Amino acid sequence: GNSVTQMEGPVTLSEEAFLTINCTYTATGYPSLFWYVQYPGEGLQLLLKATKADDKGSNKGFEATYRKETTSFHLEKGSVQVSDSAVYFCALSGVFGGATNKLIFGTGTLLAVQP
Amino acid sequence: NAGVTQTPKFQVLKTGQSMTLQCAQDMNHNSMYWYRQDPGMGLRLIYYSASEGTTDKGEVPNGYNVSRLNKREFSLRLESAAPSQTSVYFCASSENPPPGVIPYNSPLHFGNGTRLTVT
Repeated sequence: GNSVTQMEGPVTLSEEAFLTINCTYTATGYPSLFWYVQYPGEGLQLLLKATKADDKGSNKGFEATYRKETTSFHLEKGSVQVSDSAVYFCALSGVFGGATNKLIFGTGTLLAVQP
Repeated sequence: NAGVTQTPKFQVLKTGQSMTLQCAQDMNHNSMYWYRQDPGMGLRLIYYSASEGTTDKGEVPNGYNVSRLNKREFSLRLESAAPSQTSVYFCASSENPPPGVIPYNSPLHFGNGTRLTVT
């Protein structure tokens, strides 16, 4: 079936370190891929998305490239800040058709950035 | 701009009690969703509604009912709460696709969640 697998956390980094959070997926058809971020005490917010192979989504210094050959959508940031501390969710959609945008989420990766 | 508003923020129930979680959005979205978030499991879809008057089961619907009261409001009801329903519940909404556009990738807008404990 369709699924998303993320690297387990927590990921603990020092400020200005390089971040990678791995995400791989299994899906039929041509899904769209997303990263959502959840700050403490809040709901999820869309961070970036990519809708077809080789697309690169980017926002707030974060980037992820849709790699169809490796079925991956790894999240990267060159220099993390304390304010980036949050839970990051990889998700896919678009394999179901219909009028709703049902997402399949990964389990989430907690990122803790220390000053 | 309120976005998606959920009430209550916290709730403690005893096994067998019932309650309704409320959700309202002010973005004129057609689609609304209820997810639950559990440690190590990510978010799982309970029910969704593509438009006013329609509802459909998601991945984990057992033990829940929903009502799409109007375009703005989508409530989730637990008729007889069980400890397995201890979780954080999120409501979300999104735009519907224009005709013929499948798949459609509008972002989901989430509320801040309801933390439910069933003892």
